[in-house]
Amino acid sequence: EDKVVQSPLSLVVHEGDTVTLNCSYEVTNFRSLLWYKQEKKAPTFLFMLTSSGIEKKSGRLSSILDKKELFSILNITATQTGDSAVYLCGGNTDKLIFGTGTRLQVFP
Amino acid sequence: GAVVSQHPSRVICKSGTSVKIECRSLDFQATTMFWYRQFPKKSLMLMATSNEGSKATYEQGVEKDKFLINHASLTLSTLTVTSAHPEDSSFYICSAADRRTGSYEQYFGPGTRLTVT
Repeated sequence: EDKVVQSPLSLVVHEGDTVTLNCSYEVTNFRSLLWYKQEKKAPTFLFMLTSSGIEKKSGRLSSILDKKELFSILNITATQTGDSAVYLCGGNTDKLIFGTGTRLQVFP
Repeated sequence: GAVVSQHPSRVICKSGTSVKIECRSLDFQATTMFWYRQFPKKSLMLMATSNEGSKATYEQGVEKDKFLINHASLTLSTLTVTSAHPEDSSFYICSAADRRTGSYEQYFGPGTRLTVT
């Protein structure tokens, strides 16, 4: 059975801290791994990773995939209160299988 | 580009009635659309996958007679919740993809919050 597991389930930090969110996956016919940020409504796209070892960056966010160990991490440096959200990781086959998400709360 | 809309954004209906939710890809053609359901503080759960012109493929545990999905064109899919009950109250989100491009990226709609009273 396909599954995606995220850890930690929740995280509380202060502004300026750096956080690492983990995602491990076991999906058949793996195509890519996607990261999304969800605040109050639908998820917004962050990254799509298809190749191992190539870091993708967008501002203070970065992500990398390890296809041998079947995991990905999402790093957020110098966190801000606006980073507070649920971060979802999805394993993409012909469909997206989501993990439970990591709820990040950043306090001033 | 790659904008997906959903209508309505919120709907309240009485128990026993049916509700239709539309998902449209506005600036691209979606060969495949996905329907998800999300309960409060829970992750997105895939309900079904629909390919244009074909019957939808439902995930285990999702009743196809209760959640009717139609994907008659490359820009529109509909989800009809038939004989809705309070336990169907949830956030329903669609996503769309164009598999012909070779990309497996999905674009999400803004979601529809359904409340059944």
